[in-house]
Amino acid sequence: NAGVTQTPKFQVLKTGQSMTLQCAQDMNHEYMSWYRQDPGMGLRLIHYSVGAGITDQGEVPNGYNVSRSTTEDFPLRLLSAAPSQTSVYFCASSWDRRDQPQHFGDGTRLSIL
Amino acid sequence: GESVGLHLPTLSVQEGDNSIINCAYSNSASDYFIWYKQESGKGPQFIIDIRSNMDKRQGQRVTVLLNKTVKHLSLQIAATQPGDSAVYFCAETPGSNYQLIWGAGTKLIIKP
Repeated sequence: NAGVTQTPKFQVLKTGQSMTLQCAQDMNHEYMSWYRQDPGMGLRLIHYSVGAGITDQGEVPNGYNVSRSTTEDFPLRLLSAAPSQTSVYFCASSWDRRDQPQHFGDGTRLSIL
Repeated sequence: GESVGLHLPTLSVQEGDNSIINCAYSNSASDYFIWYKQESGKGPQFIIDIRSNMDKRQGQRVTVLLNKTVKHLSLQIAATQPGDSAVYFCAETPGSNYQLIWGAGTKLIIKP
């Protein structure tokens, strides 16, 4: 049982480049979410999805897009990377929006130069 | 805005002693609280949770205490082990909004 899998684990981008962070879960969870973690701060919600075809914004959505075409996958897209998006990104899933705890992937460490 | 915060950013504890990690919250409407452990290079891992209708909940070597009067949450780890070294986060869900609000984290260091 792989749980939540994130790829890549590390990435360096130049300002203005685009990129997609991948997230996949094999637990048939309906709810998936993306967080960013910055030094000295807690996780902040970027976008979330309550099921295939349904997405919504979290606390810090600007600069990021998401889609949910299948239950398993929830990719996060940076259309034009900015240095302020340098962070560690975590994907999480659970049965539904109210279900806790969420299961987290091991993160993608992203640096924007 | 309202947020969850932690009293101490770093806590150093002797191996074998008990650890107490504290968390303050400001939203009196919060009805669910959760503690996560994050080891270096890993994602957060669930430890224990508690609902607002409870004052205390125990797990394996961990206890969470909730004091709604002073809006305070604590995580107690008994007989701290080297494997407990990590950053510990508390988080809350304020009322009908199920989104977690996370604290900044406390780093637990175990002294041999």
